[in-house]
Amino acid sequence: QKEVEQDPGPLSVPEGAIVSLNCTYSNSAFQYFMWYRQYSRKGPELLMYTYSSGNKEDGRFTAQVDKSSKYISLFIRDSQPSDSATYLCAMSAKEDKLSFGAGTTVTVRA
Amino acid sequence: DVKVTQSSRYLVKRTGEKVFLECVQDMDHENMFWYRQDPGLGLRLIYFSYDVKMKEKGDIPEGYSVSREKKERFSLILESASTNQTSMYLCASVRGFSPLHFGNGTRLTVT
Repeated sequence: QKEVEQDPGPLSVPEGAIVSLNCTYSNSAFQYFMWYRQYSRKGPELLMYTYSSGNKEDGRFTAQVDKSSKYISLFIRDSQPSDSATYLCAMSAKEDKLSFGAGTTVTVRA
Repeated sequence: DVKVTQSSRYLVKRTGEKVFLECVQDMDHENMFWYRQDPGLGLRLIYFSYDVKMKEKGDIPEGYSVSREKKERFSLILESASTNQTSMYLCASVRGFSPLHFGNGTRLTVT
């Protein structure tokens, strides 16, 4: 079993829809949680960074962490065609290397 | 803004060639990483370095080596390229452990 499991997708949604992305993990020591966005032919760029459980909001993006369920989510409200990308979850324990999900490719249709 | 620059966007090499992938970062980060990214497998760590002349094996180091002679530069070496090393290679750097800052990747094709 992989340490981090991410819904594989792909997801295709109409413009304006809410996009929901999820990852589950097995290592209870994880306490730093990230979402990266990767456009085609580009490297991943950091989108959201959270510590421990709870919610974090940044514009149209909301990251949720539920450590009791070992489950993290990313929500994109009012999705735009420019949100079409691959989204990667990543997480780590304190002072340790990141573990990545395999990524979910999202297409927002105009 | 942190800038991580990978010298080549696309490379085509022949089986058995020695291949060098170069990465430079401009933020004086101690830690640098090499990943490969394959569809369905996500990012897999090949090697990382916490300091000059220091290296540690990641999850899939076989067939690769690295060099870090200067703090800002981290090179990935394929000693004898094989077709199963065809992949997207991503370099990243960070002060501490997270979050990582990535370059735009080198897409390597070995024929």
